[in-house]
Amino acid sequence: GQSLEQPSEVTAVEGAIVQINCTYQTSGFYGLSWYQQHDGGAPTFLSYNGLDGLEETGRFSSFLSRSDSYGYLLLQELQMKDSASYFCAVNQAGTALIFGKGTTLSVSS
Amino acid sequence: AAGVIQSPRHLIKEKRETATLKCYPIPRHDTVYWYQQGPGQDPQFLISFYEKMQSDKGSIPDRFSAQQFSDYHSELNMSSLELGDSALYFCASSLPGLRNTGELFFGEGSRLTVL
Repeated sequence: GQSLEQPSEVTAVEGAIVQINCTYQTSGFYGLSWYQQHDGGAPTFLSYNGLDGLEETGRFSSFLSRSDSYGYLLLQELQMKDSASYFCAVNQAGTALIFGKGTTLSVSS
Repeated sequence: AAGVIQSPRHLIKEKRETATLKCYPIPRHDTVYWYQQGPGQDPQFLISFYEKMQSDKGSIPDRFSAQQFSDYHSELNMSSLELGDSALYFCASSLPGLRNTGELFFGEGSRLTVL
């Protein structure tokens, strides 16, 4: 089986930095992905870590520590449009992604 | 750029009826996935197909079945619908080597309401 833990809610103000943590327990592991989903919309891919370390994509960065079964998504220079749900997802067996429960980020002005 | 196409976008059914959802993956993507997402919940993996063969199975109820056709489109068939089947159903596709990219391309989803 597998489990992924991430905070259910995070609030922040515009311009701030926020970190969303994700811990996982899986029987197999290829990598950790992050997805963003606005209300009623489709999940969209943000970042992927197959190896330990930091991946940077514009305002978003993602980190993975395989030894700690831990990763995080870092969002910088927050904007109102970043208000959404953020999911970590593990690639357990190379064939499908299993999603965490999601973190709802609310950005206020 | 071409995206994953799902139809219908919305459908309303009565309990015990059947429903069929269709998905057209992005050209040259070799794997198709179906996910179910209830209100306020995470996407739950149902089933996937690699080159028209079932490749992985998640929490798909026995009342549901799916297949991928020769033109690579996929259909999710749901029978004996229950109120709890009301959800957003997403289809996604991926390029070869998901284990190296972690990237799924999702369609806009089909919203099923069971009354």
